[in-house]
Amino acid sequence: QQQVKQSPQSLIVQKGGISIINCAYENTAFDYFPWYQQFPGKGPALLIAIRPDVSEKKEGRFTISFNKSAKQFSLHIMDSQPGDSATYFCAASVLNWSGANNLFFGTGTRLTVIP
Amino acid sequence: DTGVSQDPRHKITKRGQNVTFRCDPISEHNRLYWYRQTLGQGPEFLTYFQNEAQLEKSRLLSDRFSAERPKGSFSTLEIQRTEQGDSAMYLCASSSPWGAGTEAFFGQGTRLTVV
Repeated sequence: QQQVKQSPQSLIVQKGGISIINCAYENTAFDYFPWYQQFPGKGPALLIAIRPDVSEKKEGRFTISFNKSAKQFSLHIMDSQPGDSATYFCAASVLNWSGANNLFFGTGTRLTVIP
Repeated sequence: DTGVSQDPRHKITKRGQNVTFRCDPISEHNRLYWYRQTLGQGPEFLTYFQNEAQLEKSRLLSDRFSAERPKGSFSTLEIQRTEQGDSAMYLCASSSPWGAGTEAFFGQGTRLTVV
């Protein structure tokens, strides 16, 4: 059972445009929502993350919007650049007593930014 | 390079053989995770160590899989009697003991192909 559902599977955006990727979750115990960027042959790298006590977090061109009641969160990439072309994964986790932060990942969105 | 290091980067093995992968986390990180990523999917959690103690294991970690982290430093993941379904990228991640230890830093992974 997929704990985090991600869409779209692929996305093509013109340079300078806005890329939007959406995720939804069911487990209301999740309290940490990161987005990871992965280039071919590399491991995922953390882009930006949010906790459920805020509705939006912005870092440079990347913004997470979080809707706790709808159990949805999204990544917005402003002024998309060809260098942003990669696969993006949303994830969610529960910080528990053991200090573990086991991440449940979405299925990924392959973003292509056309020059 | 002070990131998470994984060895080997690629491994091709015949079905039925045993394989072992190594992960060296970031030096001050006491939390270590193993994930498995199949083509076109997000990483899936396998197991978690805090120092040398293995505190969590996913049901994905069948009895053919074993992970260790002697002395709380590097970790090994062994797969016995490999099957074609074990073909995947095996990712190691580590995180800091301070604060919530939320950010997980991933290595570049070991790509396993079982023929």
